[in-house]
Amino acid sequence: AQKITQTQPGMFVQEKEAVTLDCTYDTSDPSYGLFWYKQPSSGEMIFLIYQGSYDQQNATEGRYSLNFQKARKSANLVISASQLGDSAMYFCAMREGSQGGSEKLVFGKGTKLTVNP
Amino acid sequence: DADVTQTPRNRITKTGKRIMLECSQTKGHDRMYWYRQDPGLGLRLIYYSFDVKDINKGEISDGYSVSRQAQAKFSLSLESAIPNQTALYFCATSDRRRLQETQYFGPGTRLLVL
Repeated sequence: AQKITQTQPGMFVQEKEAVTLDCTYDTSDPSYGLFWYKQPSSGEMIFLIYQGSYDQQNATEGRYSLNFQKARKSANLVISASQLGDSAMYFCAMREGSQGGSEKLVFGKGTKLTVNP
Repeated sequence: DADVTQTPRNRITKTGKRIMLECSQTKGHDRMYWYRQDPGLGLRLIYYSFDVKDINKGEISDGYSVSRQAQAKFSLSLESAIPNQTALYFCATSDRRRLQETQYFGPGTRLLVL
């Protein structure tokens, strides 16, 4: 079974509008972390935001915020005021295994975001 | 200078050839990882190493081997390349003391196996 599910293969948004990219996860580990990465067409992986499982507040980094709903096991990325440069692939990832010292990341399949002018 | 470097950045090879992808880091991290990315599949873990003497298989290790020559160097080898190993390969590093931090990714190596 997939541990990270991104149900939106592609999303479109108008410039200056907000967009939400969905991510659900599955783990039985009480301690885990959730990450979002951006991958532009050039290919590099750019870290955007992190949310720890014990964090009480939703993470925010500039125009990026993470809507963390622990009971629903969802960690949606919200991008406010979209810009043309936000057009890219976006990956959700989960770090688990912290209890046993075997931490590694599991990635979703990604969502391709296109920002229209 | 980049903290995580990968060489080569692009490589074309033929079926059956042995190829090595190299990764070096200057971040002083103890943990290093190799991933491959295929269209529509996200990143999948091939091998990871938590220190020089600790090497572990990831999700898709068949057909690959690795070597951790030093804390700063982690190499991925394809002993006999096959076309379905055509992919984008990423090396990454992390610090065991800072689990809340991201893994730091290299720029990637685009490999084409003919």
